[in-house]
Amino acid sequence: QVQLVESGGGVVQPGRSLRLSCAASGFSFSTYAMHWVRQAPGKGLEWVAVLSYDASLKYYADSVKGRFTISRDTSKNTLYLQMNSLRTEDTAVYYCARDLKEETRPTFDFWGQGTLVTVSS
Amino acid sequence: DIQMTQSPSSLSASVGDRVTITCRASQDISNYLAWFQQKPGKAPKSLIYAASTLHSGVPSRFSGSGSGTDFTLTISSLQPEDFATYFCQQYNGYPLTFGGGTKVEIK
Repeated sequence: QVQLVESGGGVVQPGRSLRLSCAASGFSFSTYAMHWVRQAPGKGLEWVAVLSYDASLKYYADSVKGRFTISRDTSKNTLYLQMNSLRTEDTAVYYCARDLKEETRPTFDFWGQGTLVTVSS
Repeated sequence: DIQMTQSPSSLSASVGDRVTITCRASQDISNYLAWFQQKPGKAPKSLIYAASTLHSGVPSRFSGSGSGTDFTLTISSLQPEDFATYFCQQYNGYPLTFGGGTKVEIK
């Protein structure tokens, strides 16, 4: 069965960096685009970034552009999110989500359980 | 960016009730609309894509409709496990955007 397991969250000071990982299993990881979506405490969902199946295309939300980098290692079936220059407003649960192949435009089918990032001094 | 507006933001209903949630896009998104369910402390679960297509395993009491700018999610007979928050999402283009959510509570 499809599994997405995020890790790497924690408490970090403003201005510092953190790298999140999402370990994928149960499907052919190298053939799917993958997303990061976040949710601030008590708030709604915010799409963060997407990476195409072959890593040739990346898109970012304006709120993270220039600070976050999405990448993947197909040999490890793992998606990453490198987060630099973190701000207090980046505090959220970060979910990785698999892109829905049945659609030609990007939405999600499976989600990981999330990892909490807290940016605080 | 395309803004997604959901209404109501919350509602109270009883088991067996028919529940309808609406989602409006700030511009035409054709049928590139998805719905998700989220329970407290859990990850979202994908329910519907292409405005009306159910993901595998989603009960048939859930249905979606609409195109263009106006969409609805209907639960035909509310079950205890359906009490949750529901989000719509447009995927007509980047950035992908979500509605603010509708919390369905027990009356």
